[in-house]
Amino acid sequence: QVHLVQSGGEVKKPGASVRVSCKASGYTFTSYGISWVRQAPGQGLEWMGWVSGFNGNPNYVQQFQGRVTMTTDTSTSTAYMELRSLRSDDTAVYYCARSGELLGAYYCDYWGLGTLLTVSS
Amino acid sequence: DIQMTQSPSSVSASVGDRVTITCRASQGISSWLAWYQQKPGKAPKLLIYDASSLQSGVPSRFSGSGSGTDFTLTISSLQPEDFATYYCQQVDSFPPTFGQGTKVEIK
Repeated sequence: QVHLVQSGGEVKKPGASVRVSCKASGYTFTSYGISWVRQAPGQGLEWMGWVSGFNGNPNYVQQFQGRVTMTTDTSTSTAYMELRSLRSDDTAVYYCARSGELLGAYYCDYWGLGTLLTVSS
Repeated sequence: DIQMTQSPSSVSASVGDRVTITCRASQGISSWLAWYQQKPGKAPKLLIYDASSLQSGVPSRFSGSGSGTDFTLTISSLQPEDFATYYCQQVDSFPPTFGQGTKVEIK
């Protein structure tokens, strides 16, 4: 069965960077991409971007351009999301989800459990 | 970006009730729409994709309809495990965008 296992929670100071990992199993990693979606406390879902599991090409939401990098390591079936210049409003649960490629669209059919990022001085 | 507007923001219902949630897109998205269910402290779960296709393993009491700009998610007979927040998502245009969510609460 498909599993996406995310790295543990992080506490960072404003201005710092964070890297969240998402290790996939139970399917052919290169046949799908990974979307990253975040959810601030008590708020809705915000789609941040997507990275291809096939060739590592990313697509980012404009508001995160220049601050986010999404990558993959096909040797370990792991996707990474790095967010830089952290602000307090980046405090959120960050989810990875299988998405795109064979799905034909940016639907998210399997999700990780989420990684809580807290940004506080 | 395409804006997705859900209504109502919350609904109170009883077990066995029929519940309908509406999602409106700011421009036409054909049938490129998904519905997700999220319970507190949990990751979202895909229920419906392509506006009306039921994701594998999802109970048949969930159904989706619509195309263009107006879409609905219907729960035909609400069960205790269905109390949750529901989100629509358009995937027609980049970036994919979510509605603000509809919370289904116990009456």
